[in-house]
Amino acid sequence: DTAVSQTPKYLVTQMGNDKSIKCEQNLGHDTMYWYKQDSKKFLKIMFSYNNKELIINETVPNRFSPKSPDKAHLNLHINSLELGDSAVYFCASSPGTVTEAFFGQGTRLTVV
Amino acid sequence: SQQGEEDPQALSIQEGENATMNCSYKTSINNLQWYRQNSGRGLVHLILIRSNEREKHSGRLRVTLDTSKKSSSLLITASRAADTASYFCALTGGGNKLTFGTGTQLKVEL
Repeated sequence: DTAVSQTPKYLVTQMGNDKSIKCEQNLGHDTMYWYKQDSKKFLKIMFSYNNKELIINETVPNRFSPKSPDKAHLNLHINSLELGDSAVYFCASSPGTVTEAFFGQGTRLTVV
Repeated sequence: SQQGEEDPQALSIQEGENATMNCSYKTSINNLQWYRQNSGRGLVHLILIRSNEREKHSGRLRVTLDTSKKSSSLLITASRAADTASYFCALTGGGNKLTFGTGTQLKVEL
């Protein structure tokens, strides 16, 4: 069974479109994250939720909106996609906020 | 910034050799972690070392932490081709954030 699963794995879309990436974890963890990895492999945290509550919201454009319907799910919705949004987006979960994180396989978003 | 800086950015060695990667940081930390990322895959946790620990081992991995110098090193002994990947240090400090370093790309050649 996949511990942290993201869908879709690949996403190609045109500028201006709205898209969502879904993430689910079956580990029973309280904390979930979204990270963005750019073309130079730099990983930047975007959001963190603990028990469905937003605890970290980095300097991310308002076009990005996370939603956590329950503590096992953390989805990412992106409005009005721009070329600069092209990256690999990783979802992760951890038992707490200072422990090891388990990552999904990533969603490669390409905006054309 | 809490981000770690890794050195070297890229490392190429022969199978059987040891590989050493370093991570330096600027702020105080609760713990420091190392992760591996194979090409096109997600990150996999390797080892966690707490701020009050100096050394930790896991199989062929050895991690050291020097909080006075604000640096950590990851040593992979007797490397294998399968160790080819990017390696990242990740810091946990104030704000409950897990912040990743810039990464070292390791290539182990046969």
